[in-house]
Amino acid sequence: DAKTTQPPSMDCAEGRAANLPCNHSTISGNEYVYWYRQIHSQGPQYIIHGLKNNETNEMASLIITEDRKSSTLILPHATLRDTAVYYCIVRVANTGKLIFGQGTTLQVKP
Amino acid sequence: EAGVTQFPSHSVIEKGQTVTLRCDPISGHDNLYWYRRVMGKEIKFLLHFVKESKQDESGMPNNRFLAERTGGTYSTLKVQPAELEDSGVYFCASNQGTENTEAFFGQGTRLTVV
Repeated sequence: DAKTTQPPSMDCAEGRAANLPCNHSTISGNEYVYWYRQIHSQGPQYIIHGLKNNETNEMASLIITEDRKSSTLILPHATLRDTAVYYCIVRVANTGKLIFGQGTTLQVKP
Repeated sequence: EAGVTQFPSHSVIEKGQTVTLRCDPISGHDNLYWYRRVMGKEIKFLLHFVKESKQDESGMPNNRFLAERTGGTYSTLKVQPAELEDSGVYFCASNQGTENTEAFFGQGTRLTVV
């Protein structure tokens, strides 16, 4: 199964964009990249996913490199409530199985 | 619409005892997943139900763990007998349709084996 690598922690100023990187160099051609986050004591919450193309929704943007070996999650205007652990995940092809990495703890500061 | 609910939220049991965790998925969701995170490790997949059938149980650690989903609605995960290394947070998730849809997670059950 493809693995993901993320920095263990990052800080971001409130109101600024948070850019969270992820490496997934062993990803297969039909495996999706998913991002979830976990706010303390809650279950993981879906943010966004993509295969090849960049994606945007009301929460975030996902930028996937052309070779698909890495991606970046962008929170355009981080708020204090965005403080959480962010997981970059590969979804195993043709299954619903999610492969979690260690995650990045994002601290949004006033 | 109610989300994925898990019971209990916390459980403390002694080594050797039995514990049963329950997950109620979102109504109508055929896919149900169990995951867990043990101390210091990443969240790991345990198994996947499609309705009442086990689609993938490759992540089940050993035969002390038994998952069921009779009738294709709620699911239970029994640990018998529990060992110290089973301590962690057990998450349940559900979704509908193809695998390429978001999975909704419950808040988890924190299991402590002493």
